[in-house]
Amino acid sequence: DGGITQSPKYLFRKEGQNVTLSCEQNLNHDAMYWYRQDPGQGLRLIYYSQIVNDFQKGDIAEGYSVSREKKESFPLTVTSAQKNPTAFYLCASSIGTGGYGYTFGSGTRLTVV
Amino acid sequence: GEDVEQSLFLSVREGDSSVINCTYTDSSSTYLYWYKQEPGAGLQLLTYIFSNMDMKQDQRLTVLLNKKDKHLSLRIADTQTGDSAIYFCAGNRGNNAGNMLTFGGGTRLMVKP
Repeated sequence: DGGITQSPKYLFRKEGQNVTLSCEQNLNHDAMYWYRQDPGQGLRLIYYSQIVNDFQKGDIAEGYSVSREKKESFPLTVTSAQKNPTAFYLCASSIGTGGYGYTFGSGTRLTVV
Repeated sequence: GEDVEQSLFLSVREGDSSVINCTYTDSSSTYLYWYKQEPGAGLQLLTYIFSNMDMKQDQRLTVLLNKKDKHLSLRIADTQTGDSAIYFCAGNRGNNAGNMLTFGGGTRLMVKP
C-alpha cells in the first residue's frame, strides 16, 4: 500500500545535539512538507519542497534544515540553533497540483532532555 | 496571504449533531478541506469541497460552503465518541501557489457519552 512513513515515532535529544527526522513516501508525490505542532496549537510550516533538489523556507525555518535528493525522501534536521525544539513534527506530501490535498505521516514527537 | 480561522473547542452529547465552523480570507481558494487528527497521530483527510459547490454530503458528514461570506462548515450527524478529535479546515493558496495549503488552528471536538 502507498503511504508516507515518518521515523522514529519518539525521539529524545540532548541540548546542543542535531537530530534528523526521517520522512519517506512511495506515493510518487512531487511535493513534500514539514510542519511543527505544539500542544493545543495548529500547524506551522517549516520547509517545503515542490520538486527534487529544490526546497523553500516556510514560516518558521530558523534552526531547521532539509534536503531533497530523492523524490521519495525529505529528511528534516533539527539543529542546536533551534532553541525550543520540543514539539510534534508532521511530514506531508501532495501531487503538487489539483485538489488532492495532503497525505500526512503519523508524526514524530521530539523531546529535549 | 491566506488566513483560516476556527473556533477552538466544541462539546456535544453522543447522538447529537456537531457543526464545526471555519472562515477563510483567500477568495481564490479552489479547494477547501476538512482533516481529522486523533491524539498522537497525523492528519487524516475527511472530505473536501470544490469552490463552485455549495454543499457536499458523504455519509454522516455534510460540508457547506458560503463563498460570499468565505465561510465553511462541517456537520457531523449522529456524533459518536469515536468522533472526538481535532478538526482542521484548510484551503489551497490561489494564484499559482500550486497545491500549498493553509490550515486553521483546529477545533477540538469532545463528545460526551
